[in-house]
Amino acid sequence: AQRVTQPEKLLSVFKGAPVELKCNYSYSGSPELFWYVQYSRQRLQLLLRHISRESIKGFTADLNKGETSFHLKKPFAQEEDSAMYYCALRGANSKLTFGKGITLSVRP
Amino acid sequence: NAGVTQTPKFRVLKTGQSMTLLCAQDMNHEYMYWYRQDPGMGLRLIHYSVGEGTTAKGEVPDGYNVSRLKKQNFLLGLESAAPSQTSVYFCASSWGQGPPYFGPGTRLTVT
Repeated sequence: AQRVTQPEKLLSVFKGAPVELKCNYSYSGSPELFWYVQYSRQRLQLLLRHISRESIKGFTADLNKGETSFHLKKPFAQEEDSAMYYCALRGANSKLTFGKGITLSVRP
Repeated sequence: NAGVTQTPKFRVLKTGQSMTLLCAQDMNHEYMYWYRQDPGMGLRLIHYSVGEGTTAKGEVPDGYNVSRLKKQNFLLGLESAAPSQTSVYFCASSWGQGPPYFGPGTRLTVT
C-alpha cells in the first residue's frame, strides 16, 4: 500500500521567514513524488516533481529515501505563497495518492 | 489546446438522483484520475484509468462508477446521489511518467 503523510494542517509565518512543508511517504518500491499548489478555489497546479530537481517560485524539494521524506522548502516566504500545498506519490501501478494537504499562510 | 476540462462546473442534486460528470483532455494522455476534495481530508482517489477501456478502483470507489470508452474522456457517474457525496470533484490526466494535470473542478451539492 502507498501512503502520503503531511503531519501539519497549517503553517503560519511572516513574510521573509523560511518555510518547510513536511511530507513523508510509505511505499515499497521507487516512488515518483510531486508537490502541488492550490490557490483559493482554483485547480491544483504542479509545483515540483522529484526527478526534475528544479526550483519553481523559489521552492525546492529533495527526496530523502532513507527518511522516506520529500519536504518542500523556501528560504524567504512571500505573501503570494499563501495557498494549500499537497504532496503526492505515484507508484508503479500509476495510482496517484495525495496527502491531506497543508495551508500555508504568509503574514505581512 | 484546452488541457483538462470538466463539465459541469456546479450542480445541485436531490438525494437519489443520478448524474454524470465529464472529464475531457486534448493532450492524448493515457492516464486519467477522478478525485474528491473535502475539508480536512485532502484529495481522495475515487477511480482511475491507465488507458482506453480500462478502469481501476481507488481509495473511495463506493457509490461511483466510471467509464473510459474514448481515450480523451473519463466519465464519473453517481447512480443514486447521497448527501455524503457533496464535494468538489477533480479530474486529472497524464502521459506515461509525466506529471498529472488537473481540471478546474466540479462543485456538487446533494440535498
